[in-house]
Amino acid sequence: AQRVTQPEKLLSVFKGAPVELKCNYSYSGSPELFWYVQYSRQRLQLLLRHISRESIKGFTADLNKGETSFHLKKPFAQEEDSAMYYCALSNYQLIWGAGTKLIIKP
Amino acid sequence: DVKVTQSSRYLVKRTGEKVFLECVQDMDHENMFWYRQDPGLGLRLIYFSYDVKMKEKGDIPEGYSVSREKKERFSLILESASTNQTSMYLCASSQTGTRGSYNEQFFGPGTRLTVL
Repeated sequence: AQRVTQPEKLLSVFKGAPVELKCNYSYSGSPELFWYVQYSRQRLQLLLRHISRESIKGFTADLNKGETSFHLKKPFAQEEDSAMYYCALSNYQLIWGAGTKLIIKP
Repeated sequence: DVKVTQSSRYLVKRTGEKVFLECVQDMDHENMFWYRQDPGLGLRLIYFSYDVKMKEKGDIPEGYSVSREKKERFSLILESASTNQTSMYLCASSQTGTRGSYNEQFFGPGTRLTVL
């Protein structure tokens, strides 16, 4: 079955520290993977997708087919990164992880 | 600027009431979605529609119905609201991508529904 797992419900790191939000998936085929973000009192929005291979707001995510992972990383966390992050897999519709709440402490 | 709007930000209803949640998008997208967002459960798909008058059940359709009479509008209906339907409801829209997969979904601001 297709599934997206985000093992951490909550992740708290200090400002300036590296951040890694984990995402693992199960999918037979070539996946399209996304990270969405929801800042406080804002609507859910796309952060990045793996096929773009781009860095958005300092975040990157590399698809590792061997480990079936798509972890989101940022070398130096900023307070404005505090938000809810969702990993999602596209298979005719989006399959969502449960989300990770990221808190950046000053 | 792309826009998905939802009719209400906050709604309070009583058990047994019929509830209508409206969603409108101005991007001429084919696909529209209704989700529930609950802490620890992420987003769960209730229904989606890939064309006018077409609808497909998502993961949790029980207790809900939908209507899509016009391309830009997708309504979620709770026939008889219950307390376990208290939640944040998110509407989204997208274009159909290549290989039948969906492109980026654009979300509305959400409706926080409380059923007493």
